[in-house]
Formats: sequence, structure tokens, C-alpha cells
Amino acid sequence: GAVVSQHPSRVICKSGTSVKIECRSLDFQATTMFWYRQFPKQSLMLMATSNEGSKATYEQGVEKDKFLINHASLTLSTLTVTSAHPEDSSFYICSARRPGTHYPYSGNTIYFGEGSWLTVV
Amino acid sequence: KQEVTQIPAALSVPEGENLVLNCSFTDSAIYNLQWFRQDPGKGLTSLLLIQSSQREQTSGRLNASLDKSSGRSTLYIAASQPGDSATYLCAVLHTGTASKLTFGTGTRLQVTL
Repeated sequence: GAVVSQHPSRVICKSGTSVKIECRSLDFQATTMFWYRQFPKQSLMLMATSNEGSKATYEQGVEKDKFLINHASLTLSTLTVTSAHPEDSSFYICSARRPGTHYPYSGNTIYFGEGSWLTVV
Repeated sequence: KQEVTQIPAALSVPEGENLVLNCSFTDSAIYNLQWFRQDPGKGLTSLLLIQSSQREQTSGRLNASLDKSSGRSTLYIAASQPGDSATYLCAVLHTGTASKLTFGTGTRLQVTL
């Protein structure tokens, strides 16, 4: 079964409003989560790294004031798209790293959510 | 900056054929490379993960190889089935990036009856 849950799976919002997407690790504590964005027929682009208890680290070109990330607990990270516009319509997907892996990091314990389709009308 | 490219971008084959998907990356300083499958409108399913010290991994009809020095990986699918139709993504985890994956451009595979 899924170990990372994303909600909602689909959301339609009006232009100018804000929408929140949640990413939860179900059976482990994730100190680090990642948010990706995928445009149609394109690959996933990392938007930001979400760190529990601290500010998110945004990739170059990603507006931090538009894409608010909060990682208030070890099992929940949220992405809020503020003042959404039609060009923000996309597939957003999160991943979470299960801690406790040994250096060098093996990658075996990154889990992805099912993704969220956002349509801004 | 790490760049990951996949060739071909799209592929259509008849059922039963063996096929190879290619992935290349520009920076060989990686921990591992992973192949994912993505169905339309869905999330990612991890297929195979190859550590930087490994040459290949196998799972059922899938075999992935890694040549880190040349920056290349291949995903071999044997005896393809219509259910294999999906987009296949490779992703590298490069050193010093705190678990950030860089994804390739993807190959859209269609297996026809």
C-alpha cells in the first residue's frame, strides 16, 4: 500500500484563489520532502525541498511567495499555490525520504505520492 | 548542472517485442540511478534502482544497466505486453544533493496488440 499520500488528487479552482495540496508520510517520519511539478508531456521538475521545522529550499526560478511550502510536522508537508492563474495548472507530486539510511544515501527509501492535478479556470 | 536525457521520446512496438530505452546523464558523480513508470494521470512507480557501484539490476522482464563512466543507462523490456504501455522515466541521485532526484525527459511507450 501507499506510504505517501497526497490530497487532493484533483482540484479545480478559480483564478486568483489559493489552493493547498497535502503530502503525508503514512508510516514513517519524513524530515525531508520534495515537491515536483510536471507539465503535460514533460518530465518532473523539482520545485523545492521541504525541511521539517525550517524554511523550504526553492529551486532557481520557483517563486517562493507563490508556492508556499510548510513542513510543520514530521509527517505532513503542504504546498499552497497562492493567487493561482491558469498557467499554474499542472500535475504536482511530492516525495518523502524515510530517514535512517546510511551514507552514502542509497535512494531506496524515497517514496512518491500519487500526485495532484490542479486546474485553474 | 546535471542534465538527464532519454531517447527515444516515444516508441510504439507490437506486443511480444523486446525493446530498449536509453537514458544519459551529464554528471557521472551519482549515488544511483532509478527507473520509474508513470501511467497517464498517475504518480510514479519505482521499477529498478541501480547503485553507482553496480552494473545492472533485474526484475522479472525488466533489466536495467548502468555505465556510470559514460553517463548511460538502459532499460531492457523483454516480451513486451500492452500493459507495459506507459511513460518511463529515469532519474539520478547525484552526490551532495541531499536526496534530490533529477529526472529525465521520459519515453512514452505504447505496446500494440
